[in-house]
Amino acid sequence: SQELEQSPQSLIVQEGKNLTINCTSSKTLYGLYWYKQKYGEGLIFLMMLQKGGEEKSHEKITAKLDEKKQQSSLHITASQPSHAGIYLCGAAFANAGGTSYGKLTFGQGTILTVHP
Amino acid sequence: KAGVTQTPRYLIKTRGQQVTLSCSPISGHRSVSWYQQTPGQGLQFLFEYFSETQRNKGNFPGRFSGRQFSNSRSEMNVSTLELGDSALYLCASKRGQETQYFGPGTRLLVL
Repeated sequence: SQELEQSPQSLIVQEGKNLTINCTSSKTLYGLYWYKQKYGEGLIFLMMLQKGGEEKSHEKITAKLDEKKQQSSLHITASQPSHAGIYLCGAAFANAGGTSYGKLTFGQGTILTVHP
Repeated sequence: KAGVTQTPRYLIKTRGQQVTLSCSPISGHRSVSWYQQTPGQGLQFLFEYFSETQRNKGNFPGRFSGRQFSNSRSEMNVSTLELGDSALYLCASKRGQETQYFGPGTRLLVL
C-alpha cells in the first residue's frame, strides 16, 4: 500500500550482526504494529506503539515511533537464526471518532535471513 | 487462553465454486477482521465485524462477503471463485482498542 512503505524489502545478515527495518507512513498514525511471520503461517505480534517518541523493547528487539507518528523502526541486536522470517509493520489510522477500528494497513514486509 | 483458530487450514477449489472459511476469535474479543495475503499484493484488509455488524470494509468485489455470529465467531464466503483468489486468508481478533491477534490462516488454492 502506498500509505505505508517498508524498507528494505529483504535483508541478509550474518549471525550476531545488528539490523534495522523501517516503516514510513504518508499520514499520522493512530497506532503502529510490528508482526513477524513465518512463510505461509499466521502473524505473531511483536510490539505496538502509539505515542509519539515511544520506544519498546522485548529481548533483543527494539521498536521506536518518531515524534510526528509517521515513521517507525525495528532494530534487532545481535541477530540469531531464530530471528529469520518476514517482518511486517501494520498501521492503524484514526477514524472520524478519533479511535481506530479493526483495519490495519500493512507494508510489503521485510524478508530477513540470518546466516549462522 | 486459546488463540484465534481458523478452519479449514487448507482448501482446494475449482474456478466458479464458492468457499466458506471460519474463524473463532480469542475469548472475549468481539472484533474480527479478515485479510487476504498474496505474493503480489501483500496483506490486504477485507472487512471487519463487530457485534454481528460489518464495521469496516476494504476494496474487494462483492463476491467476498462475511458475517459474524452472536458468539463472535465469523465466517467469510467467496462466491464464483477465480484463479486470483488463491491466497492465504487470515483472520484477526481484538478487544476494544487493544492489539489485533492473528490466526494461523487458511490457504486457498483455486484451480
